Amino acid sequence: RKEVEQDPGPFNVPEGATVAFNCTYSNSASQSFFWYRQDCRKEPKLLMSVYSSGNEDGRFTAQLNRASQYISLLIRDSKLSDSATYLCVVNTGRRALTFGSGTRLQVQP
Amino acid sequence: GAGVSQTPSNKVTEKGKYVELRCDPISGHTALYWYRQSLGQGPEFLIYFQGTGAADDSGLPNDRFFAVRPEGSVSTLKIQRTERGDSAVYLCASSSRGLRSGANVLTFGAGSRLTVL
Repeated sequence: RKEVEQDPGPFNVPEGATVAFNCTYSNSASQSFFWYRQDCRKEPKLLMSVYSSGNEDGRFTAQLNRASQYISLLIRDSKLSDSATYLCVVNTGRRALTFGSGTRLQVQP
Repeated sequence: GAGVSQTPSNKVTEKGKYVELRCDPISGHTALYWYRQSLGQGPEFLIYFQGTGAADDSGLPNDRFFAVRPEGSVSTLKIQRTERGDSAVYLCASSSRGLRSGANVLTFGAGSRLTVL
């Protein structure tokens, strides 16, 4: 079983739609959680951290469910510029971050 | 520098050749990471440096892969006897301190795309 699992998608949604991605992780001792965004043929960039109480940054909301070991990302009012791959990232207690395979989002006009 | 710089951006080599990939992290960042990303996959951890020493090299796939960071700044990833399966984008990232010290944000370079023919 992979340490971090994501639905690869693609999720094809119209502009203005709300879309949600989930991610599960296997190590219950995982300490911190993030969503990174990766545009085609570019490097990953931090989108937002995920806090236990849930957190919001503009149109983006991240939530953590430690009991079920999953993380979610909700994007409201999708824009064309949101089209990218969204990587779920976990600090499993090792010295480096562990990345999921990513979920691809395509927002269509 | 302003960001993480990686060279070369693209490298095409023949099976069996030796390759070096260079990473210049953000000035002052003590932690440096190498990841490898294949098509359709997320970045896969290779090795982590804290200062000059390799703090964790558990992700290196075999002994053909080696990395150094002799002065605690620039790092070189070295691949001997390259194989077609080594083709991937090699990403370098740095952070101001190690993850266990509370730094959680990695800043990535643009990557070095390696193609082994």
